[in-house]
Amino acid sequence: DAEITQSPRHKITETGRQVTLACHQTWNHNNMFWYRQDLGHGLRLIHYSYGVQDTNKGEVSDGYSVSRSNTEDLPLTLESAASSQTSVYFCASSDGTGASYEQYFGPGTRLTVT
Amino acid sequence: AQSVTQLGSHVSVSEGALVLLRCNYSSSVPPYLFWYVQYPNQGLQLLLKYTSAATLVKGINGFEAEFKKSETSFHLTKPSAHMSDAAEYFCAVSALGNMLTFGGGTRLMVKP
Repeated sequence: DAEITQSPRHKITETGRQVTLACHQTWNHNNMFWYRQDLGHGLRLIHYSYGVQDTNKGEVSDGYSVSRSNTEDLPLTLESAASSQTSVYFCASSDGTGASYEQYFGPGTRLTVT
Repeated sequence: AQSVTQLGSHVSVSEGALVLLRCNYSSSVPPYLFWYVQYPNQGLQLLLKYTSAATLVKGINGFEAEFKKSETSFHLTKPSAHMSDAAEYFCAVSALGNMLTFGGGTRLMVKP
């Protein structure tokens, strides 16, 4: 079965370190998204991609970057981790065609910045 | 622009009682609407979606939602709550194709 996976599931890092969160999907979807989930804020879009070599900033992109070198993967990099980036991060994908634009979500990565 | 408001960050019902979770949206174009459920320590799972076909949409686990254009609402209901329905529920709107905008979420608690 097709799926979307994230790794690691849990990560503790120190302020100032660079961190990369992995996202891999086997749906063969063109569109991929990164969100962060914080209490009181729901899900907020960080970055998204509509295809290989395409990346776009979302609502809360400061301090984050992504790159899309193939269809399956969209890694999220925190250039210099800050305590404000402690959150749960979700990756999602969609095929972007047809009638619904529904997104499929990964299980999430819980990141703690100390 | 598009936005979603979920009324009530926490809703508590007794087992067997009606579940009603409220969602109002704002969109400048006819929207697609979604309800997702999130169980503890898991990702979001699609419950149901409205894509301009029937206004009453049936989803998984006995949930349904009705699209009411005049009220800009897409409330989620279930006739009889089960303990396993305890989770967080998110309403989302897509009026620009690929982008989803999420509401703040409603945590449903089910009392025995």
